[in-house]
Amino acid sequence: DSGVTQTPKHLITATGQRVTLRCSPRSGDLSVYWYQQSLDQGLQFLIQYYNGEERAKGNILERFSAQQFPDLHSELNLSSLELGDSALYFCASSVFPSGAGETQYFGPGTRLLVL
Amino acid sequence: GDSVTQMEGPVTLSEEAFLTINCTYTATGYPSLFWYVQYPGEGLQLLLKATKADDKGSNKGFEATYRKETTSFHLEKGSVQVSDSAVYFCALNTNAGKSTFGDGTTLTVKP
Repeated sequence: DSGVTQTPKHLITATGQRVTLRCSPRSGDLSVYWYQQSLDQGLQFLIQYYNGEERAKGNILERFSAQQFPDLHSELNLSSLELGDSALYFCASSVFPSGAGETQYFGPGTRLLVL
Repeated sequence: GDSVTQMEGPVTLSEEAFLTINCTYTATGYPSLFWYVQYPGEGLQLLLKATKADDKGSNKGFEATYRKETTSFHLEKGSVQVSDSAVYFCALNTNAGKSTFGDGTTLTVKP
């Protein structure tokens, strides 16, 4: 158990809908990362937050957005969902922002299925 | 941009065989390098890491050495066990905060 929690574990929804994925980092970790894992794209970095501020952006679509709240939990919002958004979404956390040697601790993931 | 290229899988070995999973990278600056392992139905777990050239990361019998001259970070284990069956990811982090992962290599170890 990494100490990172994600809810829900599974989510089934329809095209065009909007969903919110939630992540609670390990106690004491200030940085949160979101990743998408799909069969055709592999593991893709989406976005990183540090202490409430966006720090780095990866391959995140404009239909997706995220935020980190004062209690350091984070939410990833996915809107206008398409079939291709079906994937496993991971959250990870670390004490400090990703840099030289900073270890990320991954949650168990949320499996999203868009029908 | 940054990239990580891993040996294509799947890799199937017999128990006690020697394992090598190749990983090469392209990055600006001086990244830190990682190997993560993912067991079925779980998230990724850090296996080992190295933060500068010639550093050797090691854990649970696995080793990898940060080779700047060949931009490589190959994973090795002298004697694999059935319990090592999993997907292995090579990754790099830059100081800019971005993480780049390889496509993963599936390892199956047969008794």
